Amino acid sequence: DAKTTQPPSMDCAEGRAANLPCNHSTISGNEYVYWYRQIHSQGPQYIIHGLKNNETNEMASLIITEDRKSSTLILPHATLRDTAVYYCIVKAGGYQKVTFGIGTKLQVIP
Amino acid sequence: GAVVSQHPSRVICKSGTSVKIECRSLDFQATTMFWYRQFPKQSLMLMATSNEGSKATYEQGVEKDKFLINHASLTLSTLTVTSAHPEDSSFYICSARERTANQPQHFGDGTRLSIL
Repeated sequence: DAKTTQPPSMDCAEGRAANLPCNHSTISGNEYVYWYRQIHSQGPQYIIHGLKNNETNEMASLIITEDRKSSTLILPHATLRDTAVYYCIVKAGGYQKVTFGIGTKLQVIP
Repeated sequence: GAVVSQHPSRVICKSGTSVKIECRSLDFQATTMFWYRQFPKQSLMLMATSNEGSKATYEQGVEKDKFLINHASLTLSTLTVTSAHPEDSSFYICSARERTANQPQHFGDGTRLSIL
């Protein structure tokens, strides 16, 4: 699986959009970008995933650059409950396992 | 969305006790389940991959005789920590994946294991 690079921490004001970047410059053509988050003392929560096109669901939007070497997870209106560690994971489709890096610790500030 | 239930959420027991943790996929069939361990201030580390009806595949450095995994049905996998010691105290998290390719893994809420 391709390696990802994320900033270790970020702050965001409550109500503002949180934009979490992820670099995956070695991504292969068949690898998807997945985003999960882990709120303190809970299991990870799936947020969104994509291959080439931008994706949006009720939780977030995923913007993938045209060359697919980086992506951004957007939480449109961050709330205090969005404070968590966010993991960007790149893996091939099919049935491969999810392995976690360090992630980005997002702190939403009142 | 898909739900994974993990039980118990917290266990405190004496050293030498064996502890069983259950992981259930509630609204989908999971041919593959995963077990992770997380120490304080660290990321999740994959311990093993559990396939329904066959032996689990363990990651390097994980003792298969210490961490027994059984995946007897498409909705249930169990992890038994045998003869647990204080160094086994950790946050154990299970995950299950839907049978359709490219679908995300869904995670349980974890089990906090404390060995005295």
